[in-house]
Amino acid sequence: GAVVSQHPSRVICKSGTSVKIECRSLDFQATTMFWYRQFPKQSLMLMATSNEGSKATYEQGVEKDKFLINHASLTLSTLTVTSAHPEDSSFYICSAMSGGTGVYFGEGSWLTVV
Amino acid sequence: AQSVTQLDSQVPVFEEAPVELRCNYSSSVSVYLFWYVQYPNQGLQLLLKYLSGSTLVESINGFEAEFNKSQTSFHLRKPSVHISDTAEYFCAVMRVFGGNQFYFGTGTSLTVIP
Repeated sequence: GAVVSQHPSRVICKSGTSVKIECRSLDFQATTMFWYRQFPKQSLMLMATSNEGSKATYEQGVEKDKFLINHASLTLSTLTVTSAHPEDSSFYICSAMSGGTGVYFGEGSWLTVV
Repeated sequence: AQSVTQLDSQVPVFEEAPVELRCNYSSSVSVYLFWYVQYPNQGLQLLLKYLSGSTLVESINGFEAEFNKSQTSFHLRKPSVHISDTAEYFCAVMRVFGGNQFYFGTGTSLTVIP
């Protein structure tokens, strides 16, 4: 079946630094990928929709200059958290659409900013 | 706007006992309904979905959910749980027209007690 891989699964970074999270569709091409964030005890919230070859569409309240999304190919989307702060510590998960067969999620990435 | 409510954040249940995980949604437009499961250190996996047709949908591992339009609910049930069912369960909706992004509930942690 369709597989979406995220890397890294866990990352710790220092406050003020940037960290990149990758989302790859391993056996299908994904023109659209989605990035979600989940704070403890809360829902997974959509952050942005990533479209291959064009700018991402951000949800209201999500800072596009802080959360940089690049969808450079049909199998890879990256989320870069710039100048990370402790309040950015969260669970980030991506999903990708596989043509007409559905939406598949990655394993998620735990970000801890210290 | 769409919203999903999972009232039970944690549900402990003894092995071989029945379980029901509740999900209610609110939407001004037609939506598809989903249940996803997340096992420890893994990504989200689709458990079952309601798109149209019969309001009772089943998964291959014994779970079932029934779409109740009048009560705007999509509760998940299993008549006899196993230890391996211990996981986080997320209810989600997706607009029938437009988007392809999910709106998630806060999740229910199911713990099966031996």
